Amino acid sequence: RKEVEQDPGPFNVPEGATVAFNCTYSNSASQSFFWYRQDCRKEPKLLMSVYSSGNEDGRFTAQLNRASQYISLLIRDSKLSDSATYLCVVNLPPGTYKYIFGTGTRLKVLA
Amino acid sequence: DTGVSQNPRHKITKRGQNVTFRCDPISEHNRLYWYRQTLGQGPEFLTYFQNEAQLEKSRLLSDRFSAERPKGSFSTLEIQRTEQGDSAMYLCASSSGGVSSGNTIYFGEGSWLTVV
Repeated sequence: RKEVEQDPGPFNVPEGATVAFNCTYSNSASQSFFWYRQDCRKEPKLLMSVYSSGNEDGRFTAQLNRASQYISLLIRDSKLSDSATYLCVVNLPPGTYKYIFGTGTRLKVLA
Repeated sequence: DTGVSQNPRHKITKRGQNVTFRCDPISEHNRLYWYRQTLGQGPEFLTYFQNEAQLEKSRLLSDRFSAERPKGSFSTLEIQRTEQGDSAMYLCASSSGGVSSGNTIYFGEGSWLTVV
């Protein structure tokens, strides 16, 4: 099993749609979780951290499910500018500052 | 600009040559990371430092790769006897690990390597 696993997509959705991505991780003791966004041929940029209680930032909502070892990202009212690759990041092994990235999920928002 | 800086941004080299990339992290960030990314994949962990100490090196990294951070500030990543499979974007990132930053890592723009 991969340490951090994501569905590569692509997810093609119309503008205004709601879309959700999941990411599973291998070690139940991991403590730090993030979602990064990456545009084509650019560096990854932090979208949001994922907190145990779940958190929201505008149209974006992140949740953590420790029991099932996954994190999720929900994007509401999709915009054309949301088209990008979304990378899930987990600290592995737990207790370290080493971060492992998933392969990313490609999103394309269509006009 | 106070972000992570990487040089050179692009490098084309012949197979068998050595290349070196430099990374200047965000000032006062004590952790520095190197990742490699190929098309369609997520960033792959290579190594990371806390100050000048190299804490971990990926098993995927052959002995042709070496990274240093001699004074706990900038870092270099050297690839010896390059192979075509080394062609990728090499990403440097840094973090402060402080409570206020939530251990967020910040990336540079990457160094693109093409081995011909």
